[in-house]
Amino acid sequence: TQLLEQSPQFLSIQEGENLTVYCNSSSVFSSLQWYRQEPGEGPVLLVTVVTGGEVKKLKRLTFQFGDARKDSSLHITAAQPGDTGLYLCAGEFNRLAFGKGNQVVVIP
Amino acid sequence: GAGVSQSPSNKVTEKGKDVELRCDPISGHTALYWYRQRLGQGLEFLIYFQGNSAPDKSGLPSDRFSAERTGESVSTLTIQRTQQEDSAVYLCASSRDFTEAFFGQGTRLTVV
Repeated sequence: TQLLEQSPQFLSIQEGENLTVYCNSSSVFSSLQWYRQEPGEGPVLLVTVVTGGEVKKLKRLTFQFGDARKDSSLHITAAQPGDTGLYLCAGEFNRLAFGKGNQVVVIP
Repeated sequence: GAGVSQSPSNKVTEKGKDVELRCDPISGHTALYWYRQRLGQGLEFLIYFQGNSAPDKSGLPSDRFSAERTGESVSTLTIQRTQQEDSAVYLCASSRDFTEAFFGQGTRLTVV
């Protein structure tokens, strides 16, 4: 059973376009983390959202935690090739549980 | 070092041989995770160690896979009688409880 479902699994867009990816669960989490993994590297933490409804911005990336703390979204504005990577969400569930990831490819 | 260190970085082995992968976590991190990542895929949870508690082995795919951790230090993941389907990147991560997980660079295992 996958604790965190991420959609879409794969997304390819042109440079300059906007995109949104999602992380959903049936469980309530005290916090959710978003990581980015670039090719050949391990995942690196981007942000942690803690409060229901919270919105955090990291340059062109906007992260939102759902009001019920069961889901989260990541929106990228004017995507750049450097945004290419696997985006992973993670939440506490006896252990830190990761979703399968959203593979994002930004084409120049 | 300041980060999670994994060795070897690359390993090519013949089908049927045993391999041992090593992970040195960040000092003071009580939690340690092993994940498998096949080419172009997401993270597949293998095993989780938390302090001196019994490890969560629920993700190990078969009895050919085992892992050990001595206290809060180094961990080894052993794969016996390797199969071609075991070819993947094996990632190790450590954290303080459920806060930020720090990942190593991974070990790329190729079974030929």
